[in-house]
Amino acid sequence: ETGVTQTPRHLVMGMTNKKSLKCEQHLGHNAMYWYKQSAKKPLELMFVYNFKEQTENNSVPSRFSPECPNSSHLFLHLHTLQPEDSALYLCASSQVTQETQYFGPGTRLLVL
Amino acid sequence: DAKTTQPTSMDCAEGRAANLPCNHSTISGNEYVYWYRQIHSQGPQYIIHGLKNNETNEMASLIITEDRKSSTLILPHATLRDTAVYYCIVRPRGSGTYKYIFGTGTRLKVLA
Repeated sequence: ETGVTQTPRHLVMGMTNKKSLKCEQHLGHNAMYWYKQSAKKPLELMFVYNFKEQTENNSVPSRFSPECPNSSHLFLHLHTLQPEDSALYLCASSQVTQETQYFGPGTRLLVL
Repeated sequence: DAKTTQPTSMDCAEGRAANLPCNHSTISGNEYVYWYRQIHSQGPQYIIHGLKNNETNEMASLIITEDRKSSTLILPHATLRDTAVYYCIVRPRGSGTYKYIFGTGTRLKVLA
C-alpha cells in the first residue's frame, strides 16, 4: 500500500457548506500535492507543498484553500463550491519534489 | 514537457503478457519515463520508471527503445486485478521538476 491516507473517502456537500479534506502520509516525505480528477478528464495538479511551504498554485479558485501544518499532513478547505467542483480529489507525497509521487485513495466529492 | 501517446484501450487474456506501448517522440535527454495505473475510482499506483536502461521490478518490466522515443510496459502474467487505466508520463529530472502531466492513458481490460 502507498502509506498515504485520505479522509473522508466520500463527501456530499451543498454549495453553502464548508468542509475540509484531510491527507496524511506515513512515508517520511517532505513534499505533498493535491490533484483533481473530474469525470473522464486527466488528473490536474492543484497545489504543491515542499517542506510545508506552498510552491505551486495551479490557478485554483480561492474557494479551495490548502493548508499544510507539517510535512505529514495536508488539508484542503472547501467553501461555497459549485456543482462542477464535483470530482475525485487526490493527495500525493514524495520524498522531495524531484522524486516519485505516491498517491492516496482519493476523496470522492459531490457538490449539490 | 514531452507529450505521450498511448492507445485508448487494449484487451489481454488472463495469464498472458500485457504489452502496453507509449510514444514519447519529443522526450529530451533529462526526462524520465514513468508508469502509473489507476484502478477504477482509486488513486494512481506507481508501477515503474526509467531513464534509458530497461527496468524490472516485482510488478512489471519497462523497455525503453535505444532512441528513447518510445517505451513498453510489460505485465508478464496479467490477472483480472490488472484491469485498470495505465498512464505513461515523462517528467524532467532536476530541482523543482515535480510536474506530472497525466494524459488519458490506456484502458487495459484483462479477460478471463
